[in-house]
Amino acid sequence: TQLLEQSPQFLSIQEGENLTVYCNSSSVFSSLQWYRQEPGEGPVLLVTVVTGGEVKKLKRLTFQFGDARKDSSLHITAAQPGDTGLYLCAGVDRGSTLGRLYFGRGTQLTVWP
Amino acid sequence: EAQVTQNPRYLITVTGKKLTVTCSQNMNHEYMSWYRQDPGLGLRQIYYSMNVEVTDKGDVPEGYKVSRKEKRNFPLILESPSPNQTSLYFCASSYTLVPDTQYFGPGTRLTVL
Repeated sequence: TQLLEQSPQFLSIQEGENLTVYCNSSSVFSSLQWYRQEPGEGPVLLVTVVTGGEVKKLKRLTFQFGDARKDSSLHITAAQPGDTGLYLCAGVDRGSTLGRLYFGRGTQLTVWP
Repeated sequence: EAQVTQNPRYLITVTGKKLTVTCSQNMNHEYMSWYRQDPGLGLRQIYYSMNVEVTDKGDVPEGYKVSRKEKRNFPLILESPSPNQTSLYFCASSYTLVPDTQYFGPGTRLTVL
């Protein structure tokens, strides 16, 4: 059973399109993080959201933490080929042992020129 | 340069031959963790350590051992590797627990024949 469900698993779009990636759970999280991973490298942190309802923007990327702290979304405006990569959400379940970090299975995004 | 290093980057071995994957960070981080990444399963936490001499199990600890004798090093030991441990392994560190930034190493691709 996956604690964090990401959708879609794969996304292939043209440059300039908008997209949204979702990260959902039945558990409450004290915080959620979004990472991007490129082939042959480790994940790199994009953002951390901590407060329910929080919205953070990073250039063309908008991250939202659900009011109930059970879900998060990543919206990319006017996608570019450089956005191609594996997007991962990760969180600390409030009910879990301190130190346990859970990852979703990831969304593989491909942006074509 | 602040970084997490892993060695080796690639390893092909045979069933039952003990091996160690080293992980070292130069950022004086307290928290370190090991993950394995498998297609369709995402990143799964193997073991984590919140400080020297303090380690605990993650989601998939079976078949692995770790030690944290010094703050900077967190080796992953496979006493008797089996083919189902063929995977891509990542070490990560952070100053403290999430929501702090996790810094990932470059990964170790292990094949057990």
